[in-house]
Amino acid sequence: SYVLTQAPSVSVAPGKTARITCGGNNIGSKSVHWYQQKPGQAPVLVIYYNSDRPSGIPERFSGSNSGNTATLTISRVEAGDEADYYCQLWDASSDHPWVFGGGTKLTVL
Amino acid sequence: EVQLVESGGGSVQPGGSLRLSCAASGFTFSSYEMNWVRQAPGKGLEWVSYISSSGYTIYYADSVKGRFTISRDNTKNSLYLLMNSLRAEDTAVYYCARDSPGDWGQGTLVTVSS
Repeated sequence: SYVLTQAPSVSVAPGKTARITCGGNNIGSKSVHWYQQKPGQAPVLVIYYNSDRPSGIPERFSGSNSGNTATLTISRVEAGDEADYYCQLWDASSDHPWVFGGGTKLTVL
Repeated sequence: EVQLVESGGGSVQPGGSLRLSCAASGFTFSSYEMNWVRQAPGKGLEWVSYISSSGYTIYYADSVKGRFTISRDNTKNSLYLLMNSLRAEDTAVYYCARDSPGDWGQGTLVTVSS
């Protein structure tokens, strides 16, 4: 089944830009979603279909997807952005249709 | 507004069984594929099972195949997960999720321990 690879952790200073990547074979041909999860809470969708942003999600959150890497970019990082971030996609050709990356812990220094 | 509310979690001994339910509202339940996703304490998200809108197509993660059974009742707008032969490694928060990005419930905790 399809595998998504994320770095375990990313650290960034407040006000800077964080980039969280999600690697997969030809992932650019698929639609990737990104979830933010804070401790004790259910995951919250922050980017869907590679680059769309749900209502209520700040414009500081953006997404891109090309080649073998999808990227979640958080501009002007705030302390409240500290969380785990997961990429996810739907693999239509598989009997394991939902695939998650292992998650990236974003630490705001 | 889409609402998904899980119930049925709790503590159970290894080898025991538990049935989770997910009550759906705010959308035409019978038109949507549904999934169960779980998260073990301190771990990442793991897809568990999928069921098509009609219930005829079903998939399972290898870790639960043969032990868990997903089902749905479109007349009751409800999704279910019957979990048998439970193991300590099945301890997790279980989320019900519509096959549409972002539509998840708040989860129900299942603890398997002697």
